[in-house]
Amino acid sequence: EVQLVESGGGLVEPGGSLRLSCAASGFTVSDHYMDWVRQAPGKGLEWVGRTRSKAYSYTTEYAASVKGRFTISRDESKNSLYLQMDSLKTEDTAVYYCTRAPSGSYHFDYWGQGTLVTVSS
Amino acid sequence: DIQMTQSPSSLSASVGDRVTITCRASQGIRNNLAWFQQKPGKAPKSLIYAASTLQTGVPSKFSGSGSGTDFTLTISSLQPEDFATYYCQHYNSFPLIFGGGTKVEIK
Repeated sequence: EVQLVESGGGLVEPGGSLRLSCAASGFTVSDHYMDWVRQAPGKGLEWVGRTRSKAYSYTTEYAASVKGRFTISRDESKNSLYLQMDSLKTEDTAVYYCTRAPSGSYHFDYWGQGTLVTVSS
Repeated sequence: DIQMTQSPSSLSASVGDRVTITCRASQGIRNNLAWFQQKPGKAPKSLIYAASTLQTGVPSKFSGSGSGTDFTLTISSLQPEDFATYYCQHYNSFPLIFGGGTKVEIK
């Protein structure tokens, strides 16, 4: 059974950093495109970024709103995905979801349950 | 960037009603469109990809159509468990963009 479990959310001050984790089970993360999507309180969904599969050298794409501040990475040995968030702003406050694309495809099929990040002083 | 416009932003319907939600892309995206369902306090659930292909396990009361710039999601007979917010998303190019959502409420 495919599962994605996010962790690492919490309260952080503006300008601070946080690293989110997404532990995968039931599949091998290196074979899939993986994305992060966020949702501010009471708002819609916003794509954050993507890392391609190992076959494509784990190359990344980011939304303009986070480019240069957020970094997506993977750890094959832990079968996990990460989102390093630096220079956090109050507008980064959101629930962050990791998602998976089926092997060889670009759309999402599975979502994690999300982890809440609150940026506030 | 390609913009995605969903309509309506909300609707009220009764159990058993047929419901249609539309999604328009600001430029052609072929059939690179997905639909998601989200219930309050829960993660989104993938319903449809490639504009009309149901994800595994999604009931056939859901259907999608369209290509290019205009797309629809139809729920053939609304059931209590279908009251939720629905989002479209294109994955034709970066950045991936979601529509603003359509909240389906009980009349």
